[in-house]
Amino acid sequence: EAGVTQFPSHSVIEKGQTVTLRCDPISGHDNLYWYRRVMGKEIKFLLHFVKESKQDESGMPNNRFLAERTGGTYSTLKVQPAELEDSGVYFCASSRQGGPDTQYFGPGTRLTVL
Amino acid sequence: GNSVTQMEGPVTLSEEAFLTINCTYTATGYPSLFWYVQYPGEGLQLLLKATKADDKGSNKGFEATYRKETTSFHLEKGSVQVSDSAVYFCALSDDYKLSFGAGTTVTVRA
Repeated sequence: EAGVTQFPSHSVIEKGQTVTLRCDPISGHDNLYWYRRVMGKEIKFLLHFVKESKQDESGMPNNRFLAERTGGTYSTLKVQPAELEDSGVYFCASSRQGGPDTQYFGPGTRLTVL
Repeated sequence: GNSVTQMEGPVTLSEEAFLTINCTYTATGYPSLFWYVQYPGEGLQLLLKATKADDKGSNKGFEATYRKETTSFHLEKGSVQVSDSAVYFCALSDDYKLSFGAGTTVTVRA
């Protein structure tokens, strides 16, 4: 069974540009989560999808961030326009069920905004 | 809100040394507790978990016990190996949402 995959693994962009991160969850996992780790600090929750529906986007920092999951399969997280403070590692995770079911994480995308 | 505090690193040990990483939490209700590990160049992997008070999670020689009275979930391993070098994250579940500590970088030297 393939794990959670994320693309790209690294992205370096300039302030003001747009970047789109992609996450492919484990097949059959309806629940998909985005988290990020900024400046080596704690990993923070961004949002949660169940299939194509956003269940909770309370962790999204501002309206420069847009997440989608069309068709309930892969998800994208777009940052537009990117700011310096958006630099960090963005993790995606998926789980078959919600609640405290084990979440399986991808390798992360390291975003650097110059 | 819920939060996790874990000991700051980095931690550097010699092979076969004893490892402890402290983790305490603040939560309403009865969360599940987790330790995740990130090896160099890889994603986060679940190391172990405990879902209720006094439960002990264990995996790969690591152990952690859910202590409700001290709100702690300390990670221990009796004899570390070079391959245990990684970043370790303590986490709790708030229903579906995970709250993580800042991570502890552990380096084991041969």
